[in-house]
Amino acid sequence: EAGVAQSPRYKIIEKRQSVAFWCNPISGHATLYWYQQILGQGPKLLIQFQNNGVVDDSQLPKDRFSAERLKGVDSTLKIQPAKLEDSAVYLCASTAQGGTGEQFFGPGTRLTVL
Amino acid sequence: QQQVKQSPQSLIVQKGGISIINCAYENTAFDYFPWYQQFPGKGPALLIAIRPDVSEKKEGRFTISFNKSAKQFSLHIMDSQPGDSATYFCAASMGAGKSTFGDGTTLTVKP
Repeated sequence: EAGVAQSPRYKIIEKRQSVAFWCNPISGHATLYWYQQILGQGPKLLIQFQNNGVVDDSQLPKDRFSAERLKGVDSTLKIQPAKLEDSAVYLCASTAQGGTGEQFFGPGTRLTVL
Repeated sequence: QQQVKQSPQSLIVQKGGISIINCAYENTAFDYFPWYQQFPGKGPALLIAIRPDVSEKKEGRFTISFNKSAKQFSLHIMDSQPGDSATYFCAASMGAGKSTFGDGTTLTVKP
């Protein structure tokens, strides 16, 4: 079974630029999460999708962050414009519907904003 | 608001020793308590998890102890090995929903 795929693995941008991250969850997993992991901290949820609908985006800075999962499969997270404090690893995770609750994480995208 | 507090921040253990990491939570609605292991450059991976209807769960060298009344749970790694050196995160969630993570413990096991 293939794991959660994310790209790119690394990205360096200047502040005020825009950036997009892509995630392809495990096949058949209905729930998809985007987390932000700042160095030295645990992952913090940005947004949760159930199929192509948003379940929770209460912690998403909506003035600059956006995410979509149009066909209920892969997802894109965008930041526009980026700030220095957005430097972090962005993790995508997925869970199976009716499963144990175990989240399967991708390798993450390390973003550096200069 | 920090809903899951994890300690210690870092831990150094000799090979063969016992590693103990503690977590405390606030929300009594949490009903799933996983521990994740993360190696550098990788995403977190589930190590072991427990639900509040049991006080202990053991899988190989890894044990979770759960104290519902104190709202605390801990991870014990027996016979710690250098390959266990990683960052460990406790987490808590309601059902199969989003997880709230602790800030992690960096474990170093010295040969």
